[in-house]
Amino acid sequence: DQQVKQNSPSLSVQEGRISILNCDYTNSMFDYFLWYKKYPAEGPTFLISISSIKDKNEDGRFTVFLNKSAKHLSLHIVPSQPGDSAVYFCAASATDSWGKLQFGAGTQVVVTP
Amino acid sequence: NAGVTQTPKFQVLKTGQSMTLQCAQDMNHEYMSWYRQDPGMGLRLIHYSVGAGITDQGEVPNGYNVSRSTTEDFPLRLLSAAPSQTSVYFCASRLSGGREQYFGPGTRLTVT
Repeated sequence: DQQVKQNSPSLSVQEGRISILNCDYTNSMFDYFLWYKKYPAEGPTFLISISSIKDKNEDGRFTVFLNKSAKHLSLHIVPSQPGDSAVYFCAASATDSWGKLQFGAGTQVVVTP
Repeated sequence: NAGVTQTPKFQVLKTGQSMTLQCAQDMNHEYMSWYRQDPGMGLRLIHYSVGAGITDQGEVPNGYNVSRSTTEDFPLRLLSAAPSQTSVYFCASRLSGGREQYFGPGTRLTVT
């Protein structure tokens, strides 16, 4: 069973507008959440993370929001730029699982001029 | 630092052949892992290691073997390749106290 779900396989957004990517999880033991960005023919690169003791973390144009009661997190990219066109993976881990990551299926973001 | 390196970048195997995917890191990370990426399924953990001499199975370990004789290297062996193992394979590493994993560039494997 997939414990981390990204229900939107793709997202198209205009340059300069906000991109909002969503992620849901089912395992209440997850206490750390990460977003990775992946370009074609490259490995995923770490983007931003959030601990379950917080509900928001910001890094430049990227903000991650965590709603523990809803088991939901989202990544906001403001403003979106053409270089943001990539696949974004949501991942989660639990302290007692050796930090193993469970990944969502990914969301393909396309930023149009 | 080269980070996490993987060889080869591409490989084509026939069913039943064996091969080893190489992974090395120069960041002195204790934890290393192997994932496979398939369309619509994200990345799934195959095997992982928390240090030299210690390995364990992930979510999809069948058909794969690993060993960890040094901190730097974590090879993944396919003993008898099957078409279901056609995928893109990523190696990753992290510090034992950290949560962020750093990924290599991947190996694209096709089994015919």
